[in-house]
Amino acid sequence: ELKVEQNPLFLSMQEGKNYTIYCNYSTTSDRLYWYRQDPGKSLESLFVLLSNGAVKQEGRLMASLDTKARLSTLHITAAVHDLSATYFCAVGGGADGLTFGKGTHLIIQP
Amino acid sequence: NAGVTQTPKFRVLKTGQSMTLLCAQDMNHEYMYWYRQDPGMGLRLIHYSVGEGTTAKGEVPDGYNVSRLKKQNFLLGLESAAPSQTSVYFCASSPLQGGWHGETQYFGPGTRLLVL
Repeated sequence: ELKVEQNPLFLSMQEGKNYTIYCNYSTTSDRLYWYRQDPGKSLESLFVLLSNGAVKQEGRLMASLDTKARLSTLHITAAVHDLSATYFCAVGGGADGLTFGKGTHLIIQP
Repeated sequence: NAGVTQTPKFRVLKTGQSMTLLCAQDMNHEYMYWYRQDPGMGLRLIHYSVGEGTTAKGEVPDGYNVSRLKKQNFLLGLESAAPSQTSVYFCASSPLQGGWHGETQYFGPGTRLLVL
């Protein structure tokens, strides 16, 4: 059974600081997804990582994938308030759907 | 392009009542999915479909049924609602390649269901 664990589950940080969210998964997978969810809203796709060593960046967010360690990271650089949201990683895709982590609730304070 | 739409947006049911949630996508995607989201649990897959006329069980299928009579629509049914089915339900779709070329799953806006 595929399991996906995120940590931390809750993170409060100050604007301007850097931080990393970790996503571990239990079985081999070459596809890892990061989504953002704002309160009461749907999920917005951030990154799709397809291979070992993949790194993608969008603004202040950078995601990486290490398939050998079964680990993905989402790094936040110089955080701003607008990045406050819940971030989910998910593994799988294709016909069988996605297995999600429980999400990281991120609050960025001035 | 409306993307993925869901009907209704919010519904209150009494225990034992039935209802159907409708998901529609206009992106000609082969794959469609139903997830439920509960506080602190992330999203969990209920049922999915790899094409018109096909359905399969996901992680938490009990108490739900689905149908995919048309490629663009995926229906989720609750025959006899229970308070444990109080949740936010999300529909999603993805193209046939399913991520191997970088495609993601596209999510609908969600349906909030309260079962009393």
